[in-house]
Amino acid sequence: AQSVSQHNHHVILSEAASLELGCNYSYGGTVNLFWYVQYPGQHLQLLLKYFSGDPLVKGIKGFEAEFIKSKFSFNLRKPSVQWSDTAEYFCAVNAGSAGNMLTFGGGTRLMVKP
Amino acid sequence: DGGITQSPKYLFRKEGQNVTLSCEQNLNHDAMYWYRQDPGQGLRLIYYSQIVNDFQKGDIAEGYSVSREKKESFPLTVTSAQKNPTAFYLCASSIGAGGTQETQYFGPGTRLLVL
Repeated sequence: AQSVSQHNHHVILSEAASLELGCNYSYGGTVNLFWYVQYPGQHLQLLLKYFSGDPLVKGIKGFEAEFIKSKFSFNLRKPSVQWSDTAEYFCAVNAGSAGNMLTFGGGTRLMVKP
Repeated sequence: DGGITQSPKYLFRKEGQNVTLSCEQNLNHDAMYWYRQDPGQGLRLIYYSQIVNDFQKGDIAEGYSVSREKKESFPLTVTSAQKNPTAFYLCASSIGAGGTQETQYFGPGTRLLVL
């Protein structure tokens, strides 16, 4: 069975600091990769996704993620965080054999200090 | 205004009681999902449905039941057999065309608490 690991459970940054959240998955075949974000009191929403092509994908609000197949990783990055980025971030993977089911990581809670 | 609605926002369950969480979508999506969110564990799939009158167990289906009588509705019942039901429950939907590259859209969630 596929699994997804997010090693950073809690991250605290000051505004303007750079962000990188780790995501590793365990499936060896073709995968589709997602990052979702849950702002306080809001719906879980899609931040960005990777299906194929350029391994560096850009999402909303200045976020980007890089797919490194050899490392089974899909890390999320942002060069300069803002207080409004305070949220919980979830990496999710869909393996080609799993239909359209997603496996989620445990989440990373990001707090940005103003 | 298109989207997914879940009700109620908060739900209290007494010991031995079954409770039903509502999920409705007007996105005309075929596929619908129920997840349970616990701190530090991310989202875990309870049940999913690819089409009306059909549904499949997810990773943690024990103690839960669902029905899919209408395309837009996918209610989840938390039965008395679920020994640790306190959690945040999220409903999602996707187009359901059978592909693997579908984005899932989420509702606002229902928080279930046991009295």
